[in-house]
Amino acid sequence: KAGVTQTPRYLIKTRGQQVTLSCSPISGHRSVSWYQQTPGQGLQFLFEYFSETQRNKGNFPGRFSGRQFSNSRSEMNVSTLELGDSALYLCASSLRAGRTQETQYFGPGTRLLVL
Amino acid sequence: DQQVKQNSPSLSVQEGRISILNCDYTNSMFDYFLWYKKYPAEGPTFLISISSIKDKNEDGRFTVFLNKSAKHLSLHIVPSQPGDSAVYFCAASAGLSGTYKYIFGTGTRLKVLA
Repeated sequence: KAGVTQTPRYLIKTRGQQVTLSCSPISGHRSVSWYQQTPGQGLQFLFEYFSETQRNKGNFPGRFSGRQFSNSRSEMNVSTLELGDSALYLCASSLRAGRTQETQYFGPGTRLLVL
Repeated sequence: DQQVKQNSPSLSVQEGRISILNCDYTNSMFDYFLWYKKYPAEGPTFLISISSIKDKNEDGRFTVFLNKSAKHLSLHIVPSQPGDSAVYFCAASAGLSGTYKYIFGTGTRLKVLA
């Protein structure tokens, strides 16, 4: 079974631009979560989608948004990019949402550099 | 407020010895804990988990211990191997009542010396 895939793997943008990242979950998984990883900050939760609905949201500004499609694929969008948005963006999928004892499986991430 | 803390940013251990990685948490609502391993340029890989109803879970060379009264969990790797060199993240689930599904620590970089 294929794992979580993320595209693109690397991206360079300039301040003020916007970016869209894509995530395809493991087949059969319906929950997709997004995280931002920066040095020293660990993984910061952005949001979670299940059945095309946002179920949870972290403490990020409204410039960060996402959506999920009927095939469970998800996209994350960041508008008006800032230098501080440079990070590794990770997507994780799990079978269900709204369960505490559920293991998430991560993709390889998209490394975004904002110049 | 960092609800999940990994206070040791790095750890070096000799091959064949035990590696002990620690994690502390503050939220008593957490009821599920996980450890992930991350190599450079890859996403985190799930290692082992433990439910709050248990105090120990073992999977091969990996054992996770949970001390609920101290709000502390640890990952033991025995024996340590050079291939275990990676960054290890602990994560806690806040459950349905929490804002976040999982909260991660900042990671501990383990280096196993041959």
